[in-house]
Amino acid sequence: AQSVTQLDSQVPVFEEAPVELRCNYSSSVSVYLFWYVQYPNQGLQLLLKYLSGSTLVKGINGFEAEFNKSQTSFHLRKPSVHISDTAEYFCAVSDTNAGGTSYGKLTFGQGTILTVHP
Amino acid sequence: DADVTQTPRNRITKTGKRIMLECSQTKGHDRMYWYRQDPGLGLRLIYYSFDVKDINKGEISDGYSVSRQAQAKFSLSLESAIPNQTALYFCATGAGGSTGELFFGEGSRLTVL
Repeated sequence: AQSVTQLDSQVPVFEEAPVELRCNYSSSVSVYLFWYVQYPNQGLQLLLKYLSGSTLVKGINGFEAEFNKSQTSFHLRKPSVHISDTAEYFCAVSDTNAGGTSYGKLTFGQGTILTVHP
Repeated sequence: DADVTQTPRNRITKTGKRIMLECSQTKGHDRMYWYRQDPGLGLRLIYYSFDVKDINKGEISDGYSVSRQAQAKFSLSLESAIPNQTALYFCATGAGGSTGELFFGEGSRLTVL
C-alpha cells in the first residue's frame, strides 16, 4: 500500500523569501507524484506532476519539485513567495502497474499550510 | 461553469438525518471519486467508480453509500448522519487509463449537529 507524509503541518514565511514544502512517500511499485494547492474556500488545483523523465518538474505560479527516488521524496520549492501563495498544499501519490498505467487512486498527505507574511 | 459541480455547497443537519451530496461533471471522464477532508488528516478516499457499473469502497466507506446514476453523476449518501461525519467533502473525476491525475469540485461543507 502507498502512503504519503508531509513533514511540516504549517510553514510561515516572509514575502519574497524562498520556501520548501517537504513530502516523503512509500510504495512498493512505481509511482506518479502530484502537488495540489487549495486556496481558501476553493477546491484543489493541480500545481505540478511527476510522471517520468527529468526529476525536476516545473509547475504553475513559479513552483517546482524534485523527485528523488532513493530518498522517496518529492519536495516542493519556490525561490520567492508572494502573499497570494498563502494556501494549503497537498502532496499525493498514485501507484502504477507494470505497464506504467495508474491504478487510478490518489493517496494524499496530511497537507501543509503555507502562510506568507508581508 | 465549473467542470465538476457539487451540490449543496454547504449543509447543516442533525444527527440521524439522511443526507445526499450530489456531483455532476462535464469533463467526459469515466472515473469519479468522493473524498473527505479533515484538518490535519488531508483527503481520504470514501468511494470511487471507474464506470457506471463499477463501485468500489475506499479507505473510509463505513457510514456512507454511493450511487452512479450516469457517467456524469455520482452521489454520496449518509443514511444516518453522525457528528463525526462533519467535514468538507470533495468529488473528483479522472480520465481512465491515465496518470491518476484528478480534477476536483469546489467541495461540500457538511455540519452534523
